[in-house]
Amino acid sequence: DGGITQSPKYLFRKEGQNVTLSCEQNLNHDAMYWYRQDPGQGLRLIYYSQIVNDFQKGDIAEGYSVSREKKESFPLTVTSAQKNPTAFYLCASSWTVMNTEAFFGQGTRLTVV
Amino acid sequence: GEDVEQSLFLSVREGDSSVINCTYTDSSSTYLYWYKQEPGAGLQLLTYIFSNMDMKQDQRLTVLLNKKDKHLSLRIADTQTGDSAIYFCAETPSLSGNTGKLIFGQGTTLQVKP
Repeated sequence: DGGITQSPKYLFRKEGQNVTLSCEQNLNHDAMYWYRQDPGQGLRLIYYSQIVNDFQKGDIAEGYSVSREKKESFPLTVTSAQKNPTAFYLCASSWTVMNTEAFFGQGTRLTVV
Repeated sequence: GEDVEQSLFLSVREGDSSVINCTYTDSSSTYLYWYKQEPGAGLQLLTYIFSNMDMKQDQRLTVLLNKKDKHLSLRIADTQTGDSAIYFCAETPSLSGNTGKLIFGQGTTLQVKP
């Protein structure tokens, strides 16, 4: 089945540690996105990638980093510089950035302990 | 600026119609979307409407767009308990250029009582 897979579903991190969230898609989509969701708020864009080996900052990129070495993969690293990392993280993809019919993964809930 | 507003909570009885409302600020938005999120899950695209349309119907779902008032609504007919979820309105802002960026509202929690 085609889709977007995020792993792990739950992640715990100690303060001061970096952690990487995985996002894989087998939809052959060019564009991929990372959003952050906080309770009672909408989703906010962290980073996006239009094509392999290219990515751009979104609205809240500080404290995060990404890579896009393969078309199907867009991992997100939450660094120790992110002051409030506890949140629900959602990965999405679409055919291109011009086609905004985005498909979302099931999300990763990150908790800093 | 880019802003999308929704009411936070709606409660209805099973079998009734639900209407979830959304307002947006970017009058040049090209597409407007409705997403559904069940507890602990990702977002599922329910439907979308192009900005030159006034209405779109898809089975139990009806989307109405009032461009003059920048108001979007989602009507769910014959609401079922399985419709209980958070519903997000989203737009493609005109200033996003070629980013594919979506601007989301805060989400409306729909509670369906049996």
